[in-house]
Amino acid sequence: DAGVIQSPRHEVTEMGQEVTLRCKPISGHNSLFWYRQTMMRGLELLIYFNNNVPIDDSGMPEDRFSAKMPNASFSTLKIQPSEPRDSAVYFCATTITGRRTEAFFGQGTRLTVV
Amino acid sequence: GQQVMQIPQYQHVQEGEDFTTYCNSSTTLSNIQWYKQRPGGHPVFLIQLVKSGEVKKQKRLTFQFGEAKKNSSLHITATQTTDVGTYFCWVGDYKLSFGAGTTVTVRA
Repeated sequence: DAGVIQSPRHEVTEMGQEVTLRCKPISGHNSLFWYRQTMMRGLELLIYFNNNVPIDDSGMPEDRFSAKMPNASFSTLKIQPSEPRDSAVYFCATTITGRRTEAFFGQGTRLTVV
Repeated sequence: GQQVMQIPQYQHVQEGEDFTTYCNSSTTLSNIQWYKQRPGGHPVFLIQLVKSGEVKKQKRLTFQFGEAKKNSSLHITATQTTDVGTYFCWVGDYKLSFGAGTTVTVRA
């Protein structure tokens, strides 16, 4: 397996534009997490899906952020409209539901909003 | 909600020296995981601890789970430049809740 695949690796966009980040989980993993990492706030959980269903989106900062998981092999995180303060590295992580399994992270998408 | 504190937040170590980072929880944990993130990289799983008082070793890294299962430690012996990065602990069941991490720098 190629691991968790995120795209794009880097994204530079202008303020006000829509940004879509993509994640392909490891086959068979039924839990998926979106994280945002910044120097100031560290690693923040944005949303958690289990079996393609959003379970906890309390970390989503505001209505400009939305996430979907239409099937077990694909998830998106959308920001519309984007703002400079959204600049961060966004990670997708997946695991098998249960308390004793490790999480695998994608390589992340570095987003810069200018 | 579950509160996790990692100390110290930063650790600057002379190459060859030992250091320890701690992860403390406000509640009893069922298990704890440790991850390492190299600069510019992504978090990578290191180890999981499940049993009270459990100790596991990975070469120069020693991980320990407290007797009360409320805290854990990571001890690195004879620090090398390859140890540079941020070490996170994770606690939680359905939700991956990470501590703020300990960022380690090494001076040669």
